[in-house]
Amino acid sequence: GQNIDQPTEMTATEGAIVQINCTYQTSGFNGLFWYQQHAGEAPTFLSYNVLDGLEEKGRFSSFLSRSKGYSYLLLKELQMKDSASYLCAVRDIGRGGGNKLTFGTGTQLKVEL
Amino acid sequence: NAGVTQTPKFQVLKTGQSMTLQCAQDMNHEYMSWYRQDPGMGLRLIHYSVGAGITDQGEVPNGYNVSRSTTEDFPLRLLSAAPSQTSVYFCASSSIRMGRAAKNIQYFGAGTRLSVL
Repeated sequence: GQNIDQPTEMTATEGAIVQINCTYQTSGFNGLFWYQQHAGEAPTFLSYNVLDGLEEKGRFSSFLSRSKGYSYLLLKELQMKDSASYLCAVRDIGRGGGNKLTFGTGTQLKVEL
Repeated sequence: NAGVTQTPKFQVLKTGQSMTLQCAQDMNHEYMSWYRQDPGMGLRLIHYSVGAGITDQGEVPNGYNVSRSTTEDFPLRLLSAAPSQTSVYFCASSSIRMGRAAKNIQYFGAGTRLSVL
């Protein structure tokens, strides 16, 4: 099966930079997603990596190393509204069924003044 | 754009009752899926479908049935509700284009919060 690990909680200061790590084990890697989920709301897509390297989108960047089974989500210039849970999800080509994702348990980020 | 619509938003059931959670999408997506989300467990896949008439089991399918008669709709049925099915249920949909460049991002509905007493 798949195993996805990410820290349970993190705390950071408004205006700072925070890095949320995700490690995974899979036999047929076919993409890694980061989602943001505010309390009581649905997950919303943040970023996607399938090749090694950094993908940048405004204040958010995501990095992937396939050989290390490792990704991180980097949030810059933190704002209070960034307080949310951040979910790492891996797609495995070997799992069949078109687009099955396995999610980590999420990292709850708290942004403080 | 409506995207993925789930109904109801909240539901309370008694043990043994049955009900159907509705999910509809207006993006012409081939792939639809149901997840449950429990504290400390993350999102777990219940059932999924790659097109009308095709469904398959996910990680935690026991106690749930699905069908896919149209591209748009993917209802989830609880045949005999149990307290262990108290959870937040999310429906998601995506395209399933081929190739590494195809992101096939899954878009989620707002969720159904179910309590089974």
